[in-house]
Amino acid sequence: KAGVTQTPRYLIKTRGQQVTLSCSPISGHRSVSWYQQTPGQGLQFLFEYFSETQRNKGNFPGRFSGRQFSNSRSEMNVSTLELGDSALYLCASSLRGQGGEKLFFGSGTQLSVL
Amino acid sequence: DAKTTQPNSMESNEEEPVHLPCNHSTISGTDYIHWYRQLPSQGPEYVIHGLTSNVNNRMASLAIAEDRKSSTLILHRATLRDAAVYYCILRDFSGGSNYKLTFGKGTLLTVNP
Repeated sequence: KAGVTQTPRYLIKTRGQQVTLSCSPISGHRSVSWYQQTPGQGLQFLFEYFSETQRNKGNFPGRFSGRQFSNSRSEMNVSTLELGDSALYLCASSLRGQGGEKLFFGSGTQLSVL
Repeated sequence: DAKTTQPNSMESNEEEPVHLPCNHSTISGTDYIHWYRQLPSQGPEYVIHGLTSNVNNRMASLAIAEDRKSSTLILHRATLRDAAVYYCILRDFSGGSNYKLTFGKGTLLTVNP
């Protein structure tokens, strides 16, 4: 069974631009969650989607948004990029997004904002 | 929101047991305790999880305090491949609008040959 796939692996953008990251979950998984990882803040929860609906959101500004498609693939968008948005963005999938389920993480997208 | 506290770093020798602690004094009754580990340039990898009882799998054991305010991940015989950052995470099992995810800062485990 294929794992969680994130594309692209690396991305370089400049301040003010916008970016879209993609996440393909494990087949059959309906929950996709997104995380930002930086050396200073560690892993922080961005949001979680289940069956095309955002179920919960972390403490990030509205510039961070996402969506999920009917095949459970998910995209995350960051508009008006700032230098501080440079980070590793990870997505994870699970069957139903319930607390007792394992999370399966992708390898992440390394975003650099210049 | 419930928070977790872990030591920044720990060191072990190869083939010795390792006990990685995590404090979660404000854990709620609906929070599962999860452990993940992360190698450089990779996404986190699931290690183990539990709710109230101690748990064992082929990778590790999880010991949960009776009051659930702390837990310990036990690697029975550390290998060089176990060197990673270990995260203690709380996940609410009620799901839906109550979905929560709380991360610790992680413990960097160094394994000496």
